[in-house]
Amino acid sequence: DAGVIQSPRHEVTEMGQEVTLRCKPISGHNSLFWYRQTMMRGLELLIYFNNNVPIDDSGMPEDRFSAKMPNASFSTLKIQPSEPRDSAVYFCASSLSSDEQFFGPGTRLTVL
Amino acid sequence: DQQVKQNSPSLSVQEGRISILNCDYTNSMFDYFLWYKKYPAEGPTFLISISSIKDKNEDGRFTVFLNKSAKHLSLHIVPSQPGDSAVYFCAASPNAGNMLTFGGGTRLMVKP
Repeated sequence: DAGVIQSPRHEVTEMGQEVTLRCKPISGHNSLFWYRQTMMRGLELLIYFNNNVPIDDSGMPEDRFSAKMPNASFSTLKIQPSEPRDSAVYFCASSLSSDEQFFGPGTRLTVL
Repeated sequence: DQQVKQNSPSLSVQEGRISILNCDYTNSMFDYFLWYKKYPAEGPTFLISISSIKDKNEDGRFTVFLNKSAKHLSLHIVPSQPGDSAVYFCAASPNAGNMLTFGGGTRLMVKP
């Protein structure tokens, strides 16, 4: 099993540009989570999908952030427009029902 | 308001000795607790978990203790090895498989 796959691993963009982060969960997992890690706030949950349906997006910072899960094997997190304060490492994780979450390697986003 | 706190940002231990990492929580709804380990440039990996119906769970060199009345849990690593050097995150959830709230992490350094 390849584990959770995230792309790109690194993204550098300019303020105001649209950024799309991608995640492929572990095959068979039915829950998908997006997290953001920053020095100031640590590791915080942004949004949680179950069976491709968003269950809780209360962690999404503002309307500039959106996430989709069109099918069981793919999810995106989009930031439009991006701002320097969005610079962070974004992790995707997946799980099967009540099992532990498996994290991807993360995408390091830098917004200049 | 941080619902899960790891008050020690770092810990240094000699190889072969015991490492004790601590975590406190405030939300009484939490009943499932996990420890994750994170190496640089990688996503967190699951280490061990404990349900609130238990006060101890052991897996090899790793033991997690839960004190519900004190809202405190700890991770013991015995004996500590240099390969254990990483950042350890405590996480809590109202039930298994649900959204996790993470602590800020403790950086463990095991010296040879």
